[in-house]
Amino acid sequence: SAVISQKPSRDICQRGTSLTIQCQVDSQVTMMFWYRQQPGQSLTLIATANQGSEATYESGFVIDKFPISRPNLTFSTLTVSNMSPEDSSIYLCSVEGVGNYEQYFGPGTRLTVT
Amino acid sequence: DAKTTQPPSMDCAEGRAANLPCNHSTISGNEYVYWYRQIHSQGPQYIIHGLKNNETNEMASLIITEDRKSSTLILPHATLRDTAVYYCIVRVGSGGYQKVTFGTGTKLQVIP
Repeated sequence: SAVISQKPSRDICQRGTSLTIQCQVDSQVTMMFWYRQQPGQSLTLIATANQGSEATYESGFVIDKFPISRPNLTFSTLTVSNMSPEDSSIYLCSVEGVGNYEQYFGPGTRLTVT
Repeated sequence: DAKTTQPPSMDCAEGRAANLPCNHSTISGNEYVYWYRQIHSQGPQYIIHGLKNNETNEMASLIITEDRKSSTLILPHATLRDTAVYYCIVRVGSGGYQKVTFGTGTKLQVIP
């Protein structure tokens, strides 16, 4: 299994500002995923981040709004840019297990935009 | 779009078996059935997965119908700590990356 940590665990931000969320994994992984979970909703995939290449974004998500970095095999960041109240969500980092295709999830970052 | 459909909510008495159904009528031959659960305010947690045979681990049992169009997750002795949203997902188990789509899940409430 993989142990994933995220920072910050929660934050309250003002509209128009940006927040960078960090995801750290205790082992090297090829793929890292970023999800958003809006209040009372299921998880929605934002993008897939492979080390050494640009992230692949899902429909409805763009790089200018959610820039992602993946500098090495154990770390990634997601930035939520120019935030509005609609960005208030839980943001989750996830990785895929080696060989068994299980997904492991971080504890999430709870973002509130005022 | 999610490839699975689940009832939105279920109740189960503490100590009894919780049986959570999932329909996946368009599942492909190389797709596995995975179950995750999300306890309030936490990240989803892997429970179990299977291809066509029934599976059991320390957390749960997974029963997959012979035609593979549906499955049931069984928590044999539900406790209050099993109260969570349970997600059924289908995805390939090998051969590279496939986007995982979460459906709406089943909110299980274990009642004392």
